[in-house]
Amino acid sequence: GAVVSQHPSWVICKSGTSVKIECRSLDFQATTMFWYRQFPKQSLMLMATSNEGSKATYEQGVEKDKFLINHASLTLSTLTVTSAHPEDSSFYICSVTSGQETQYFGPGTRLLVL
Amino acid sequence: SQQGEEDPQALSIQEGENATMNCSYKTSINNLQWYRQNSGRGLVHLILIRSNEREKHSGRLRVTLDTSKKSSSLLITASRAADTASYFCATPSAMGQGGKLIFGQGTELSVKP
Repeated sequence: GAVVSQHPSWVICKSGTSVKIECRSLDFQATTMFWYRQFPKQSLMLMATSNEGSKATYEQGVEKDKFLINHASLTLSTLTVTSAHPEDSSFYICSVTSGQETQYFGPGTRLLVL
Repeated sequence: SQQGEEDPQALSIQEGENATMNCSYKTSINNLQWYRQNSGRGLVHLILIRSNEREKHSGRLRVTLDTSKKSSSLLITASRAADTASYFCATPSAMGQGGKLIFGQGTELSVKP
């Protein structure tokens, strides 16, 4: 399967600042990437679908102006949490797919907003 | 919304025992997948079973699918401490849009040495 990296693996920031998380597909040209959020002891919640060269599609209830997604190339998608607040503290995970059924996940980024 | 529901939510067994996790879903599907997540990590794909398959094996894993009951089970035989993780079932979204998956709530498996 595809190898996916995320950077940073963890980040602590002050309330009101913006945080950018990168998701890279290291050996695979990903036409589609997904961004998930996961709270402790809970399942993954899909935030948005990112297609290379086009605007992301956000799930209901996810603020597109708060969670900015850019998928500029087939190997890189970024998620920027703008004006982060403590309630944005979570585990953010990306995944890639070529359009087939299986998704390949990054190791996740833990965000703590103070 | 989450389509898959899993039970049990948590399972604790001794090494060497078998572990069975169940997943139920609501809409018609063409496949169902199981993923594993170690604590604080991303998910790893374990196995995919298609709607025309009833059972599939991969090493110590056995997955069944009953489309009439809209349910699937994951059996891990001869469990090891290293199998300790959360296990999620996932089904394609109802709209079938471009590979979107809906994840179940997960079963947290603890295998004690």
